[in-house]
Amino acid sequence: NAGVTQTPKFRVLKTGQSMTLLCAQDMNHEYMYWYRQDPGMGLRLIHYSVGEGTTAKGEVPDGYNVSRLKKQNFLLGLESAAPSQTSVYFCASSYATWTSGSLYQETQYFGPGTRLLVL
Amino acid sequence: AQKVTQAQTEISVVEKEDVTLDCVYETRDTTYYLFWYKQPPSGELVFLIRRNSFDEQNEISGRYSWNFQKSTSSFNFTITASQVVDSAVYFCALSEGAMYSGGGADGLTFGKGTHLIIQP
Repeated sequence: NAGVTQTPKFRVLKTGQSMTLLCAQDMNHEYMYWYRQDPGMGLRLIHYSVGEGTTAKGEVPDGYNVSRLKKQNFLLGLESAAPSQTSVYFCASSYATWTSGSLYQETQYFGPGTRLLVL
Repeated sequence: AQKVTQAQTEISVVEKEDVTLDCVYETRDTTYYLFWYKQPPSGELVFLIRRNSFDEQNEISGRYSWNFQKSTSSFNFTITASQVVDSAVYFCALSEGAMYSGGGADGLTFGKGTHLIIQP
């Protein structure tokens, strides 16, 4: 049981290049998330998915695209990398439960992170 | 909208001292969940605790304890007899119900974190 894994661990890109970050989870979680972490900013949500074939925008979605073709995988794409996208990217997965008539997050489990440097 | 404030950007203490990390949250929801995560220097995010808004009992796990007070919208974290291995960035986070968070399980709202330094 590997939990949440991310590929690659580290990448250097030149401005304008594209790349895809892969997140995989083996916990059969419905929900998956991509966050970025920048110094002094905490974690900010980029995109998320509440199930296979569905995606939605988070707080900072510009410049990124995502896909969830399989339940266990969540891909984050950068079509044309910019230096402002230099960051550490974390993937997370969880499930949600109904409580008091509303849907609530269960614990999110995070991958080890991908450090991206855009020159 | 939901918000989590960790006012202490950095705390430095000497080993064996007790230290409390503050977390204040804002939410319109009556049912919500609060979390603490630890990020050691190696960079991974480690889940520490999840607490729902109906349970105001303090939680203790070894040297760690959490004080949840709805009256002050706080969920503070105390480390007793701190050790060098406790050095890390600690994040507090909030989860609201779908009705208040925009319609779905759309992620946690994190505070900006407190960098805890334990000096030997």
